[in-house]
Amino acid sequence: QQQVKQSPQSLIVQKGGISIINCAYENTAFDYFPWYQQFPGKGPALLIAIRPDVSEKKEGRFTISFNKSAKQFSLHIMDSQPGDSATYFCAASGPGTYKYIFGTGTRLKVLA
Amino acid sequence: KAGVTQTPRYLIKTRGQQVTLSCSPISGHRSVSWYQQTPGQGLQFLFEYFSETQRNKGNFPGRFSGRQFSNSRSEMNVSTLELGDSALYLCASSLDRVSGNTIYFGEGSWLTVV
Repeated sequence: QQQVKQSPQSLIVQKGGISIINCAYENTAFDYFPWYQQFPGKGPALLIAIRPDVSEKKEGRFTISFNKSAKQFSLHIMDSQPGDSATYFCAASGPGTYKYIFGTGTRLKVLA
Repeated sequence: KAGVTQTPRYLIKTRGQQVTLSCSPISGHRSVSWYQQTPGQGLQFLFEYFSETQRNKGNFPGRFSGRQFSNSRSEMNVSTLELGDSALYLCASSLDRVSGNTIYFGEGSWLTVV
């Protein structure tokens, strides 16, 4: 019930294309869903986050789509660039805690 | 504004030894949490501290412990190191436990146990 399932494990996209990463959760008590981007040798950096009262959130080229009934959320990277090549993690947490449950990560490679 | 600072960045220890890792949160942040990152298990929650009190603990053996000081700085300790403890240990800080759930990570401490 505490798991967050992330797919795909790896993704190769052409420059300018759309990258889509999906996550699914089970615990309906989760109320915060962030996405983190991690480059090799660095710590994860917050990319964008959403709460379940919103179905979509957009920040620049990054969009989170949230489907509360399906208990799924996804990250869309529009106009993907080689600089977006990194590992992406989705996560979920419940109210009043910083115990994040992370997905297993998606290694994205954007070809120039 | 300085980010989360973790020291040391890299260290090598021998099996059976103990290690202490340090974390300085973002100025003004009062909550600190620790995560272990390995290729096989991904990012796993270790513990969370707020105002010097442990608020939450992950599913790790008692060899893993931590504490938070009055200035919000935190340390974690791993005793009797095992080869499987080799990992990137990440500290994250956040403002508090009420105003939001966003945590900001440091660059981590790379621990190799030989």
